[in-house]
Amino acid sequence: EVQLVESGGGLVKPGGSLRLSCAASGFPFTNYYMNWVRQAPGKGLEWVSSISGTNNYIYYGDSVKGRFTISRDNAKNSLSLQMNSLRDEDTAVYYCARDPYFSAGGDYWGQGTLVTVSS
Amino acid sequence: QSALTQPASVSGSPGQSITITCTGTSSDVGGYHYVSWYQQHPGKVPKLMIYEVSNRPSGVSNRFSGSKSGNTASLTISGLKAEDEADYYCSSYTRYSTRVFGGGTKLTVL
Repeated sequence: EVQLVESGGGLVKPGGSLRLSCAASGFPFTNYYMNWVRQAPGKGLEWVSSISGTNNYIYYGDSVKGRFTISRDNAKNSLSLQMNSLRDEDTAVYYCARDPYFSAGGDYWGQGTLVTVSS
Repeated sequence: QSALTQPASVSGSPGQSITITCTGTSSDVGGYHYVSWYQQHPGKVPKLMIYEVSNRPSGVSNRFSGSKSGNTASLTISGLKAEDEADYYCSSYTRYSTRVFGGGTKLTVL
């Protein structure tokens, strides 16, 4: 059974940092692109970042480029999102998703982890 | 990276068919076969309904179908049911190898 479990969310002050993790199981992790997607309260879905199975290709949305860093540890079946210089507008539920179809989301999603940026 | 354009809301009665459009450009929707559609019920995780323009994942009802013409993709739901009431999002791959979502469409079943 495919499972994706995010962790690491919480309350952080503007300008602060936070690292999200996504533990994957039930599928050959190295074979898949992985995405981070976020959803601000009451708003739509926003694609954040994608990483290829072998770490060769990494892409970011304009709103997070230069502040967020996506990475993966294939030995540990783990995906991460390092978030720096956080802003109020980064407040959202962050989802990790398995992406076999070059989509903004994926065929399997985690339950999400809430990040709140507030002073 | 502008969001793809979707109508804010659509509605239909049970048993009817509705279509949700998703308009992009030749740099995203029009240029690639990588258009997907997601359904999201309130408070729930998004669910993939259509991938690669017109393919349904296993377990998704055949009442859901996708198509594309030029820079506009469409999701059609036939035989509308109360359980179809949800938010729907399209997404596309782009020429920059990034991805983009549409703004979302709220479907109301009357």
